[in-house]
Amino acid sequence: KAGVTQTPRYLIKTRGQQVTLSCSPISGHRSVSWYQQTPGQGLQFLFEYFSETQRNKGNFPGRFSGRQFSNSRSEMNVSTLELGDSALYLCASSPGLGLRTDTQYFGPGTRLTVL
Amino acid sequence: QKEVEQDPGPLSVPEGAIVSLNCTYSNSAFQYFMWYRQYSRKGPELLMYTYSSGNKEDGRFTAQVDKSSKYISLFIRDSQPSDSATYLCAMNDYGGATNKLIFGTGTLLAVQP
Repeated sequence: KAGVTQTPRYLIKTRGQQVTLSCSPISGHRSVSWYQQTPGQGLQFLFEYFSETQRNKGNFPGRFSGRQFSNSRSEMNVSTLELGDSALYLCASSPGLGLRTDTQYFGPGTRLTVL
Repeated sequence: QKEVEQDPGPLSVPEGAIVSLNCTYSNSAFQYFMWYRQYSRKGPELLMYTYSSGNKEDGRFTAQVDKSSKYISLFIRDSQPSDSATYLCAMNDYGGATNKLIFGTGTLLAVQP
C-alpha cells in the first residue's frame, strides 16, 4: 500500500508570495491533518480535515488555510508569506477521526524556504 | 509554558548503550502517548503507542508512562548507529473527534559506532 505523498518536496518562495502544498493520503484514509515543524517550536498542529470539512484548527493566522477534496486529497495554502513561515510542512493521514489507535501516518513533508 | 516539554539534546552515546528519552506534560487529560522517530529529511514514523499509565515493550524499545507524575519515557536497549534520529514524544486526549497530537520539540540522538 502506498504511503502518504506530499508535493512538492522542496519550495523556495519570496516574502509576500503565496504557496500551495498538496497531500495525498493513504488509500482509504479519510482524515488529513497538517503540521508545521520548525527547529524552535517543533511540530505544531495547523488543521485537520475529514469528509471535506475542517474539523479542528490550530493557533495560526488566517493566512494559513486548507481544503480537502472528495477523494480525500488535501491542499494547504499560505498567503503573503513571511520569513517565519520557513518550515517543514507535514501532513498525516488516518482512516477516521478520534479512532484512538495507532493509525496516523505521516508523509515526508514539504520543505518551504521563504527568502 | 509548553504543554509538552522535551530536552532537545543532542544526546550522543556509544553503540550498545541504553538510551533514556523523556518528556513531561502539563495536561492531565492526555491519555494516549506516542513516540515517533524522525530521520533527517523524512516524516515522523510511529515507534510506540501507549494508553494511560504503564509499560509497553517492543523489541529493543520500552515505553513507560507515569500519569501521576505527568512523565513519559522511551528506553532503547543495545542502541545501534541506525537508531540515530530525532525522537519525538506526542500525546492526545481523543476527548473529541480529533486526531490532533501535541508534540514535544524532539530529542536528537546520535549513536556512535
